[in-house]
Amino acid sequence: QVQLVQSGAEVKRPGASVKVSCKTSGYTFTTYFMHWVRQAPGQGLQWMGIIDPASGTTYYAQTFLGRVTLTTDTSTSTVYMGLSSLGSEDSAVYYCVRDLAAAGDLWGPGTLVTVSS
Amino acid sequence: DIQMTQSPSSLSASVGDRVTITCRAGQGIGIDLGWYQQKPGKAPKRLIYAASSLQSGVPSRFSGSGSGTEFTLTISSLQPEDFATYYCLQHNSYPQSFGQGTKLEIK
Repeated sequence: QVQLVQSGAEVKRPGASVKVSCKTSGYTFTTYFMHWVRQAPGQGLQWMGIIDPASGTTYYAQTFLGRVTLTTDTSTSTVYMGLSSLGSEDSAVYYCVRDLAAAGDLWGPGTLVTVSS
Repeated sequence: DIQMTQSPSSLSASVGDRVTITCRAGQGIGIDLGWYQQKPGKAPKRLIYAASSLQSGVPSRFSGSGSGTEFTLTISSLQPEDFATYYCLQHNSYPQSFGQGTKLEIK
């Protein structure tokens, strides 16, 4: 069964960093790109970036450049999204999405990150 | 970056109505557009890919059209389960970008 399992909710202080995991199963990990999309409370969807698990190549949205890092662990078929220098505006649900908009489009359940002092 | 302008931002309609949502791209994207439905507390679900192809399992009352810079999502006869928020997504180039969303509410 194809699954994306994301790590649990996080509460962080302003200025801190967070690392959200997305563990995959049921398919060949290196076959599909993984995207990250976030959604602030009551707001729309925002594309953050993409990683090719086969090569490690990444592309980040300009908005997050310098603060976001996508990595993979091929031994556990897991993708990680790290976001640094958190502010209140980073409070959101973060989704990993396999092969967004393509044939293999599959969304994780989301991880709520709350930034609060 | 390609801006996606979606309209309307909200829409009130009744069961059985026909509704249309529009997305305009800031530059031509061919047919590299998808439509998603999102219900509260849930991840988005893809309805349409390649601008007009219906995702497997999605009811035929949903349809998409357009190419280049203008796209539409049409629901031919609204059902109670269709009241949700809808987003378009362009995947022609990075960064990929979503429309602002259309919240479809019961009149």
